[in-house]
Amino acid sequence: AQTVTQSQPEMSVQEAETVTLSCTYDTSENNYYLFWYKQPPSRQMILVIRQEAYKQQNATENRFSVNFQKAAKSFSLKISDSQLGDTAMYFCAFMSPNTGNQFYFGTGTSLTVIP
Amino acid sequence: DAGITQSPRHKVTETGTPVTLRCHQTENHRYMYWYRQDPGHGLRLIHYSYGVKDTDKGEVSDGYSVSRSKTEDFLLTLESATSSQTSVYFCATGAPGRDEQYFGPGTRLTVT
Repeated sequence: AQTVTQSQPEMSVQEAETVTLSCTYDTSENNYYLFWYKQPPSRQMILVIRQEAYKQQNATENRFSVNFQKAAKSFSLKISDSQLGDTAMYFCAFMSPNTGNQFYFGTGTSLTVIP
Repeated sequence: DAGITQSPRHKVTETGTPVTLRCHQTENHRYMYWYRQDPGHGLRLIHYSYGVKDTDKGEVSDGYSVSRSKTEDFLLTLESATSSQTSVYFCATGAPGRDEQYFGPGTRLTVT
């Protein structure tokens, strides 16, 4: 079975600063994908960034980047130059095609950006 | 945006009544999923479908059933709603060869 753990229920960051959200996972699969989804107060789930496990290079999307440590099964999200619009719940998720493309989500981290 | 709508968006119902939530997609995605979101639990998979009339149970399927008679529609039914089923329900879609899931806007269900 796959498990995803987010150990930081809540975090805050000053506007324009950098913050890192942690995520660890457990799996015996070799072929898998990792994701960070953002859920603002509107409740819509928005994909922030994805990482393919076979790629060693860390994914980057504008101000968002990940630190993917495959051996440690760690997948943290770094948000640079934090903006008020980044205030949201962030979910880490795992998916493997070998387990039917099912997603496994962490419990989420509530991030507040302080003006 | 994968063109996913959910109806109703909000519903209040009484314990013991049947409830059906509908998910409709316009992208012809083969895979569809129902999740529930609760504080402290993240999103948990209720049921999923890999095609028309091809459905299976997820992690928290007790008390729920699903049906998929058309590619574009995936129905979630609570046969006899209980207060523990008060939650926000999300539908999602996916496609073979595409790793991302696309989410609907969610339905807030309150069982009194």
